[in-house]
Amino acid sequence: QQQVKQSPQSLIVQKGGISIINCAYENTAFDYFPWYQQFPGKGPALLIAIRPDVSEKKEGRFTISFNKSAKQFSLHIMDSQPGDSATYFCAASFPSGTYKYIFGTGTRLKVLA
Amino acid sequence: KAGVTQTPRYLIKTRGQQVTLSCSPISGHRSVSWYQQTPGQGLQFLFEYFSETQRNKGNFPGRFSGRQFSNSRSEMNVSTLELGDSALYLCASSPGGQGPYEQYFGPGTRLTVT
Repeated sequence: QQQVKQSPQSLIVQKGGISIINCAYENTAFDYFPWYQQFPGKGPALLIAIRPDVSEKKEGRFTISFNKSAKQFSLHIMDSQPGDSATYFCAASFPSGTYKYIFGTGTRLKVLA
Repeated sequence: KAGVTQTPRYLIKTRGQQVTLSCSPISGHRSVSWYQQTPGQGLQFLFEYFSETQRNKGNFPGRFSGRQFSNSRSEMNVSTLELGDSALYLCASSPGGQGPYEQYFGPGTRLTVT
């Protein structure tokens, strides 16, 4: 019940295309859903995050869509660029100020020039 | 603001030894969490410290321990190292309290156990 399932495992997109990564969870107690971007040799960097009372959040080219009833959320990267090539992780966190994140297994994105 | 710093960045140890990793959070942040990242298991939560107290703990054996100092700096210790402990150990800092829940990660310490 604490798992967060992420798909696809890898993704290849043409420059200018839309990259879509999906995550699903079971535990309805999760109340915070961040996405992280990780480049080789670096720690994960926070991209964007959403709470379950919001269905969509957009920051620049990055958009999170959240479907509470389906217990799913997704990251959309618009106008994908080669510099976006990285591994993306979704995560979920419990409420009450806890910082224990449950991470998805990651998606390796490659954007072709 | 300076980001999260971790030292050392790379470490090679032998089975049976112990190791201590250090993390300095972003200035003003009071919560420090530790994660283990491996290709097979992904990112797994080890524990979280807030105001020098362990507030949350993951499912790792007692060989993994940590502490936090009054200046919010944190250390993680692994005793009796096993080959399977080879991983990237990440520290994340957060303001703490009830929210926001954003965590900011350091670059990690790459531990290799031979």
